[in-house]
Amino acid sequence: DAGVTQSPTHLIKTRGQHVTLRCSPISGHKSVSWYQQVLGQGPQFIFQYYEKEERGRGNFPDRFSARQFPNYSSELNVNALLLGDSALYLCASSLSAGTNNGEQYFGPGTRLTVT
Amino acid sequence: AQKVTQAQTEISVVEKEDVTLDCVYETRDTTYYLFWYKQPPSGELVFLIRRNSFDEQNEISGRYSWNFQKSTSSFNFTITASQVVDSAVYFCALSEHTGNQFYFGTGTSLTVIP
Repeated sequence: DAGVTQSPTHLIKTRGQHVTLRCSPISGHKSVSWYQQVLGQGPQFIFQYYEKEERGRGNFPDRFSARQFPNYSSELNVNALLLGDSALYLCASSLSAGTNNGEQYFGPGTRLTVT
Repeated sequence: AQKVTQAQTEISVVEKEDVTLDCVYETRDTTYYLFWYKQPPSGELVFLIRRNSFDEQNEISGRYSWNFQKSTSSFNFTITASQVVDSAVYFCALSEHTGNQFYFGTGTSLTVIP
C-alpha cells in the first residue's frame, strides 16, 4: 500500500509569490494534518482537516490556508511568501481526527525555499 | 510554554554503545499520548512508538526501549548496541486527548560513529 505522498518534492519561490503544496493520505485515512519544520527545529502544527472540515489550526498567519477534497487529499496554500516561510512542509494522515486513535503517518515532505 | 523538551541537541556515540535520549513533557490533561519519531536525512518522519498516559509499562522492541515515568513527566528512549543506521534526528511528541495536534520537541541529533 502506498504511504502518504506529497508533491512537489522541492520548490523554489520568490518573496511575494504564492505556493500550493499537495498531499495524498494513506488509503482509508480521512484526516490530514500539515506541519512546518524549519531547519533545526521540530515540526510545528499548521492545520488539521477531517472529512473536509478544518478541525484544528496552529499559530500561523492568515496567509496560510488549506482545504481537503472529497477523496481526502489536501492542499496547503501560502500567499505572499516571506523568506521565513522557507521550510520542510510535512503532511500527516491518520484514520480519524484527534491523535488519540493512533499515530500519524508522515509523508516525505516538500522542501520550500523562498528567495 | 514548551510542552515537550528535548534538552540534548546533539549526541555522538561510538558504534555498539548504548545511548539514551531524554524527553520531558508538560500537560494538564490526564489523558495524553506520547510518541517517538525518527527522522533520517531523507526527511520523512518514521513512527517508532506510541504510549498513552495510563500505560506506564516500559516497552522493549529489539534494540529499542522506552522508559515512561509520569512522576517525572519523562519518556526516555534508549538504543542498545547502537549502529550507524541509527544516526538520525529523533523527535519526542505529545498529543492531548482534547486536541488535534502533535507538539514536537526540538529533536536530538544522534550520530553513531563506526
